[in-house]
Amino acid sequence: GAVVSQHPSRVICKSGTSVKIECRSLDFQATTMFWYRQFPKKSLMLMATSNEGSKATYEQGVEKDKFLINHASLTLSTLTVTSAHPEDSSFYICSARDPRQGGNIQYFGAGTRLSVL
Amino acid sequence: AQSVAQPEDQVNVAEGNPLTVKCTYSVSGNPYLFWYVQYPNRGLQFLLKYITGDNLVKGSYGFEAEFNKSQTSFHLKKPSALVSDSALYFCAVRDILTMEYGNKLVFGAGTILRVKS
Repeated sequence: GAVVSQHPSRVICKSGTSVKIECRSLDFQATTMFWYRQFPKKSLMLMATSNEGSKATYEQGVEKDKFLINHASLTLSTLTVTSAHPEDSSFYICSARDPRQGGNIQYFGAGTRLSVL
Repeated sequence: AQSVAQPEDQVNVAEGNPLTVKCTYSVSGNPYLFWYVQYPNRGLQFLLKYITGDNLVKGSYGFEAEFNKSQTSFHLKKPSALVSDSALYFCAVRDILTMEYGNKLVFGAGTILRVKS
């Protein structure tokens, strides 16, 4: 299947600092990427839909100024957690929809474990 | 509103026995249905999809799923479970006819599968 690369896989930062997570579609162009947050033993919570060349669409309750999303090219979307706090510690997963396949299968990155001290 | 229900938090099965992970869905239009598997601290891996056609869909690692429109179900099955199948499984649905939810993928809560030797 298609490959989505997410980096870094793990990051530990101090409270108040910002962290950037990258998501790349390696073998297809993705006009739409998605950012999810997953709490322990829970399902995925969609945070926002990243649209290439335009503003991201945030889900209700997700602070757009807190979680900055940039989709600068057809293969790269970034999520920046600004002024991170311990409650932002979580597992963040990106996903990209492959338009080449019927049903537009979404492929997922390996996730980023964020720990804010 | 589109939704997915995975009624079992956990399924336990002995190695070599058949396994079933249940999923039911609710959409306004016609569904695209997906199964994903997640191993610890990893992103989601695509297993299989139902778009149209045969109700029995075969996917990766010997898994299959049967689309049942009358029961609005899409149960995941495997004839002979392996210990390595132990993971968290997610069912997901996208409603292809309505844009109520922006054509988003909606996930079930997930089912932990434990295969014991």
